[in-house]
Formats: sequence, structure tokens, C-alpha cells
Amino acid sequence: GAVVSQHPSWVICKSGTSVKIECRSLDFQATTMFWYRQFPKQSLMLMATSNEGSKATYEQGVEKDKFLINHASLTLSTLTVTSAHPEDSSFYICSANVAGSTDTQYFGPGTRLTVL
Amino acid sequence: AQSVAQPEDQVNVAEGNPLTVKCTYSVSGNPYLFWYVQYPNRGLQFLLKYITGDNLVKGSYGFEAEFNKSQTSFHLKKPSALVSDSALYFCAVRDEGSYQLTFGKGTKLSVIP
Repeated sequence: GAVVSQHPSWVICKSGTSVKIECRSLDFQATTMFWYRQFPKQSLMLMATSNEGSKATYEQGVEKDKFLINHASLTLSTLTVTSAHPEDSSFYICSANVAGSTDTQYFGPGTRLTVL
Repeated sequence: AQSVAQPEDQVNVAEGNPLTVKCTYSVSGNPYLFWYVQYPNRGLQFLLKYITGDNLVKGSYGFEAEFNKSQTSFHLKKPSALVSDSALYFCAVRDEGSYQLTFGKGTKLSVIP
């Protein structure tokens, strides 16, 4: 149980284009989802907290207009990287809390974004 | 503010030997502590957690961790290491009043055959 999927697992795009990453909780409902960014050989940095049906809460230094987050249902959150540039290349990981429980975050497999 | 320290960037251990991956933390309230493992180009897999109760927590794949409040530590242990345990291990903490996890920088574990 508590499986989180991400799609796509990797994506290569041209500079200036937008990329959407999906995060789904497959066997549970998630009222809260989190988006992280991980640089090579570094830890995870929280980008934003997404609550179903409301606006995401962004961490300091994260551009909300660049990283658009939508959490339209209890099983799906999306991260759209708008007008991507090479510096946005990174490993993006989502996680989710089981609805009604804040104990444990379950993580997706990650999405490798490469912007040319 | 909450923080996590993993003092070792890398731990090397021979297969069959016991392993320890160290973690210390700082939170303002009661800590919720977690260990996750990450294999290359993969997301994080949950290993174990301490919320309350027994200080010794048992988790997946034979791992365990001991919560030590006086030393503010939550070291990950396994009695007998396997080559397949080689991966990146992250310790994480959150305050009981917060959703947000703070991660350590990670420790790369290499189990040598």
C-alpha cells in the first residue's frame, strides 16, 4: 500500500518550453502532497506544499509563477515548469501524506528533467 | 527551526558486518524521525519511523534505529549488511506540529563483498 507514481520518469525539452509532471497516489487519498527538487549528490529541497482544492504554499526562493502546482483531486497533483531553462534541469520528486494521517510521507520515483 | 545532521558522507562496510549510519537532529518540540533509502535515479523508499513509544524501532529489510533523546540521535543500524543495501540513506525530521520534513544531506552506504 501507499504507492505514489510520477509521470513522466524522465523528460528532455528545449529551453523556453513548459513541462508538466504528474504525481498520483495510487492506492490512497492524499490531502497533502509535497514537491521536492534534488540536485546531484545533494539532499532534497522542499519546493512547495500542495493541499487539495487550495493554493500551494511555496518555500522561500521558489518562484510560484515558474513552478505552477495544481492539486485538483485527492489523488493527483501536477507541477508545471514554465518557460524552462537549463538551470531548471534537476530531479523532481513528489510525496504524499495519507489523508487523515500526517505521520509518513510516501515518495514517488522521481522525474529527471533535462532542459537543452 | 528544525535541522538534521548526517556527519558521514560515506560509510563503507564489509558484507556480513554490522552497519551504522549516524543521524542527529534538532527540533523545538517532540520529534518525528524517519529514515529513507534512495537507489540511483529513484525516489525515496520509507524504511522506518519513530513517533512515540519504544526507543528501538524496527523497519523494512532488517533495518532498525534507536531514538536517543538525550543525545538527540536516531542512528540507523543493521546487524548484518548485504551488498544490496548499498544506496543513499536519508534521515529526516519534523516537529509534531508541522507537515514539513527536513532532510539530512544523505549518507552513501557501500557494502563491500
